Amino acid sequence: DQQVKQNSPSLSVQEGRISILNCDYTNSMFDYFLWYKKYPAEGPTFLISISSIKDKNEDGRFTVFLNKSAKHLSLHIVPSQPGDSAVYFCARHQTGANNLFFGTGTRLTVIP
Amino acid sequence: DAGVIQSPRHEVTEMGQEVTLRCKPISGHNSLFWYRQTMMRGLELLIYFNNNVPIDDSGMPEDRFSAKMPNASFSTLKIQPSEPRDSAVYFCASSPSRDTQYFGPGTRLTVL
Repeated sequence: DQQVKQNSPSLSVQEGRISILNCDYTNSMFDYFLWYKKYPAEGPTFLISISSIKDKNEDGRFTVFLNKSAKHLSLHIVPSQPGDSAVYFCARHQTGANNLFFGTGTRLTVIP
Repeated sequence: DAGVIQSPRHEVTEMGQEVTLRCKPISGHNSLFWYRQTMMRGLELLIYFNNNVPIDDSGMPEDRFSAKMPNASFSTLKIQPSEPRDSAVYFCASSPSRDTQYFGPGTRLTVL
């Protein structure tokens, strides 16, 4: 059961423009969602999170939006920079447990 | 802090051989997670430990996989016998209680 879905395997954006990465989920039992960023040959690193009681969280160029009625969240990167090129995973933190459910990832390429 | 340490970084073995992957979590973190990354399924949780005790091993694919955590600073993931379909990148992550998970650099396993 793929509880977290990232339907776009890849995305290309021009430097300076907005990158929007999307994630859908099926199970409403969660504490919060997280976004991780992964460079080649490295492990994923935490980027930003949003709790179930919020609909927006912002950290510098990164903003995550949560639409609970649509069971959808998105990560906005503005402005996009070439160093943002990486694979982005969204993950759901399960209520009452300590594990995460990850999506399959979206590869972002920011073109200089 | 050196972060989560995994060894080896790369492993190439032949079908039927035993493979042991190793992980040293960040000191003070009491949760440890083993993940497998594949193109088709993204990051899958295999097993996680809390205070050295296995909590959820429902993600372990089959009996050929086993994991141990003999103390707070060391864990192993063993595959015996290995098969070509086990080829993937295996990540270890650690976490201080219910907080963000910190990933190691991963072990790329190739089973010929």
